[in-house]
Amino acid sequence: DAGVIQSPRHEVTEMGQEVTLRCKPISGHDYLFWYRQTMMRGLELLIYFNNNVPIDDSGMPEDRFSAKMPNASFSTLKIQPSEPRDSAVYFCASSIRGVSKAFFGQGTRLTVV
Amino acid sequence: ELKVEQNPLFLSMQEGKNYTIYCNYSTTSDRLYWYRQDPGKSLESLFVLLSNGAVKQEGRLMASLDTKARLSTLHITAAVHDLSATYFCAVDRPNYGGSQGNLIFGKGTKLSVKP
Repeated sequence: DAGVIQSPRHEVTEMGQEVTLRCKPISGHDYLFWYRQTMMRGLELLIYFNNNVPIDDSGMPEDRFSAKMPNASFSTLKIQPSEPRDSAVYFCASSIRGVSKAFFGQGTRLTVV
Repeated sequence: ELKVEQNPLFLSMQEGKNYTIYCNYSTTSDRLYWYRQDPGKSLESLFVLLSNGAVKQEGRLMASLDTKARLSTLHITAAVHDLSATYFCAVDRPNYGGSQGNLIFGKGTKLSVKP
């Protein structure tokens, strides 16, 4: 398996624009997680899904952030409108119940100017 | 408050030396995870410690878990340059619902091994 695949790897956008980050989890995994990594706050869980259903979105910072998982092989994290403070590395991870670890994607480095 | 604290946050070592990274946590988790991150890269799982007293070793790295003390250690033996990276410990969030990935991470320990 190719692992968790995220796209794009790098995104530079202007403040106010909409940004969409994409994730393809490992086939067969039933959990999907979106994390954000910044120097100041470290790694923070934003939202996670189980069997495509959002379970906990309490980490989503504002209404500007939204996430969807329309099927088992695809998820998006959308920021609209984007702000410079959203600049971070966004990681997607997936796991399967009963296997004691999550697998992380390569991340998307987002820069909002 | 849920906390996972690592120390030190920065560690500069010479090759061949030994050192230990400490991870304290405030939850009642019975499991602890260690990840490695190289600059600009993803997080790679190193160890999953599943119970009190668990010890795991891989090459020059050995991790242990004391759930009573809420402490995990990552011991580095005879460090080599290839071990330079940032090391994170993490625990399951309370009421994580069986989702192995709903984690609280420490801030990370940036390790630099110099010749």
